[in-house]
Formats: sequence, C-alpha cells, structure tokens
Amino acid sequence: GIQVEQSPPDLILQEGANSTLRCNFSDSVNNLQWFHQNPWGQLINLFYIPSGTKQNGRLSATTVATERYSLLYISSSQTTDSGVYFCAVLNPRGSTLGRLYFGRGTQLTVWP
Amino acid sequence: DGGITQSPKYLFRKEGQNVTLSCEQNLNHDAMYWYRQDPGQGLRLIYYSQIVNDFQKGDIAEGYSVSREKKESFPLTVTSAQKNPTAFYLCASSPRTSRGYGYTFGSGTRLTVV
Repeated sequence: GIQVEQSPPDLILQEGANSTLRCNFSDSVNNLQWFHQNPWGQLINLFYIPSGTKQNGRLSATTVATERYSLLYISSSQTTDSGVYFCAVLNPRGSTLGRLYFGRGTQLTVWP
Repeated sequence: DGGITQSPKYLFRKEGQNVTLSCEQNLNHDAMYWYRQDPGQGLRLIYYSQIVNDFQKGDIAEGYSVSREKKESFPLTVTSAQKNPTAFYLCASSPRTSRGYGYTFGSGTRLTVV
C-alpha cells in the first residue's frame, strides 16, 4: 500500500504562534484529507484537498500532488487546536474505493 | 442527526475472553471500516466492508472477526487469539464510491485487557 509520512511527530507551541505540518506520500492519490483528533478521540475532517490550496479560518492547506506532499498551516494557534493531526490519502491503485491510508500523525500541544 | 455510534466507550476484557464492539450508522453509507489506533502508530485498518454480507481483511486482521448482516451495523469481535488487544478502536463509514468524501468516524471504544 501507499506510504504516508508526517512531520514533525510532536509540536509544542505557545498560544498565538504559527505552525506548519507536513505530509509526504509515496504514490499518486485520488484524494487527500487532513483530520483533527481531539483529546477525547473524535476525528473531524478539516480539509479534502487532492491538489491546490484551501483556507478555513485560521487553518489552510496546500497539496502539491506532482511532488507528493501536503502542508497544513495553523495560524494564531489556540489551546483548542491541541490534539493529533492526521493526513490520510486515497490511492487509486488500491483495491478498495474508499480505503484511506493514514500517516502516524502530529501531536500538537498549545500552551496558554 | 445522522452519524456513527460506537459502544461501549470503555471496555475491559480479561485474558482469554472474546469481546464485541458495536458500530451503528444511520448515514445510509454502503462502506464501513474498523481501525485500530495505538500511541504513535496512527490508524491501521482491521477490516472493511463495501456492501452487506461482504467484508475483507485489512492490514492487521489476525485475532479479529466481523459481520455485516445489516447495512447499518458492522460489529467487531476481538477474539482471544489477538495477543495485544489493548488499544483505541475506531469505526468509520463512507459512501461506497465517494473517493474519500463523506468519510465519518465514530467516537471510538477504548479496550483494555486486565
């Protein structure tokens, strides 16, 4: 299956700081998603972004499909941004149409 | 409201016992998935099902079993053959041909072996 690597594995920030999370993937993909997992374990989709750039409030994401990477930007971070951020991709070569391949995540901690 | 319900939230199992984790969805999704999450490991696929009465093994199916008798339900049994079952288990669903759109997760079950 496709390999998905995320960096950094851990990130500790002061409230108000900006950060960039990176996702590299080993093959062409049909879709790429960023998820946030809150401290209670719930995963919420942040972006569907197979290519290009999208913004949603303080968060934005960019995927360069030809170079097989995606970036998630968090500006003016808040304590509620804490949690684990996952990148997940859908590989068109896979046998399952909806199967997502996940990276290991970036654990973000934002201190007040 | 539509969504996925996992139960129980916390489950304790004695060594040698089988336990079943429940996953129910009312989103009318065809596909359902079970993932296992360990600290620092990300999400790993256990089993998936694209249609009723059909399911396939994922990457770490050994020691687990599933059934898909109804579209809404995809229970996961952790058998005594699973040597290290303590983990956080997440169920998800999606439209069958969604290309990833509409992927929805439950809130998880935390299983601990005592």
